[in-house]
Amino acid sequence: DIQMTQSPSSLSASVGDRVTITCRSSQSISGYLNWYQQKPGKAPQLLIYVASSLQSGVPSRFSGSGSGTDFTLTISSLQPEDFATYYCQQSYSIPTFGQGTRLEFK
Amino acid sequence: QVHLQESGPGLLKPSETLSLTCTVSGGSVSGNYWSWIRQPPGRRLEWLGYIYYSGSTNYNPSLKSRVTISVDTSKNQFSLKLSSVTAADTAVYYCARHRLGATTNFDYWGQGALVTVSS
Repeated sequence: DIQMTQSPSSLSASVGDRVTITCRSSQSISGYLNWYQQKPGKAPQLLIYVASSLQSGVPSRFSGSGSGTDFTLTISSLQPEDFATYYCQQSYSIPTFGQGTRLEFK
Repeated sequence: QVHLQESGPGLLKPSETLSLTCTVSGGSVSGNYWSWIRQPPGRRLEWLGYIYYSGSTNYNPSLKSRVTISVDTSKNQFSLKLSSVTAADTAVYYCARHRLGATTNFDYWGQGALVTVSS
């Protein structure tokens, strides 16, 4: 299986901050990388697919980039509703997920 | 808007078979792929397998011998069976629509069903 590693595992930030989360795969996955947001007690929601495409209805402050083995999710200006856990997921082969990055209020 | 809802027993004993059903509303199971994904407490999400509305399946090799996914197009449902459960199978189980192709991802999810395995 392709292993997905996110950094950091947790992150403290304030409303209005620019935040970047990194995801690295154990082998090249081209651009087959998705990002999800999960709030406590809720199902994950798709934010970004194929590394940089914004899912319908997702605010434009979210953006993704990368290819090969290194990817980033950026939130340009944090809003109160963005405090959640974020997961990357590769779709190059059998789907696997990162361990998650918990975004907390500073 | 597609809505998915998981249902099934929330408490099992070791060696029993887990059975969950996902009911799809606001859309049809036909023409789509559907997956089961689980999340053990404090751990990362794990994909279990998918089914196409025609009945073809693909399972995670790590669980392949214990997992069976089926579909009932007449009821707009698909189901998961996981045999010989242990405490390690305690998790929140999600059903999701699995978009396959150039933009493979999980775009609609159920709210999740907590299944606890305990003697």
